[in-house]
Amino acid sequence: QVQLVQSGAEVKKPGASVRVSCKASGYTFTTYDLNWVRQAPGQGPEWMGWMNPNSGNTGYAQKFQGRVTLTRDTSISTAYMELSSLRSEDTAVYYCARDYSGSSGHFDPWGQGTLVTVSS
Amino acid sequence: QAVLTQPSSLSASPGASASLTCTLRSGINVGAYRMYWYQQKPGSPPQYLLTYKSDSDKQQGSGVPNRFSGSKDASANAGILLISGLQSDDEADYYCMIWHSDTWVFGGGTKLTVL
Repeated sequence: QVQLVQSGAEVKKPGASVRVSCKASGYTFTTYDLNWVRQAPGQGPEWMGWMNPNSGNTGYAQKFQGRVTLTRDTSISTAYMELSSLRSEDTAVYYCARDYSGSSGHFDPWGQGTLVTVSS
Repeated sequence: QAVLTQPSSLSASPGASASLTCTLRSGINVGAYRMYWYQQKPGSPPQYLLTYKSDSDKQQGSGVPNRFSGSKDASANAGILLISGLQSDDEADYYCMIWHSDTWVFGGGTKLTVL
């Protein structure tokens, strides 16, 4: 079945960087865009950016420009999200989500989420 | 002012209907947007429910019951998720989302309690 499996929880200090992976299976990785969304405790989701795994093209939410980098390794069907200069407000669950039907807001499936905790 | 505003909570009885609203900020016309709706239960990622722009431009998620439907209230500049025949399993957080200014924007969510 189509699924996205993310890497495990991370604990980071302020100022550090974190990289979260998202491994796709059950479909052709390069066919669908991937989005990254985060959700702080008790808050609504917040979109961070998208990537086309075929071309490597990316787009980022203005809020995260300069701090987030989306990459991929097509040989292992895995996408990566790296967030730098971490601060306490970046503590959140980070999700990858496939764009189901091309430049749409229909995200399906989602990864299980990766909790990133930023604490000194 | 937030781009999308949702009531923080809503309660309804089993078997009743619930209308969840998502109001767009003044100056942003709901008629121009496809609105996406997601359901999220504790400890799980959001799950896609449906898309609604108009009666001729809408989509239901795979496996999503027809009890869930979308609409708009142009006078209120709002999108609406209507859930009929409420069941205890519908208790969850619900989020709306639109594409605005090159960004996917989520509402703050409505916590639906079925009691």
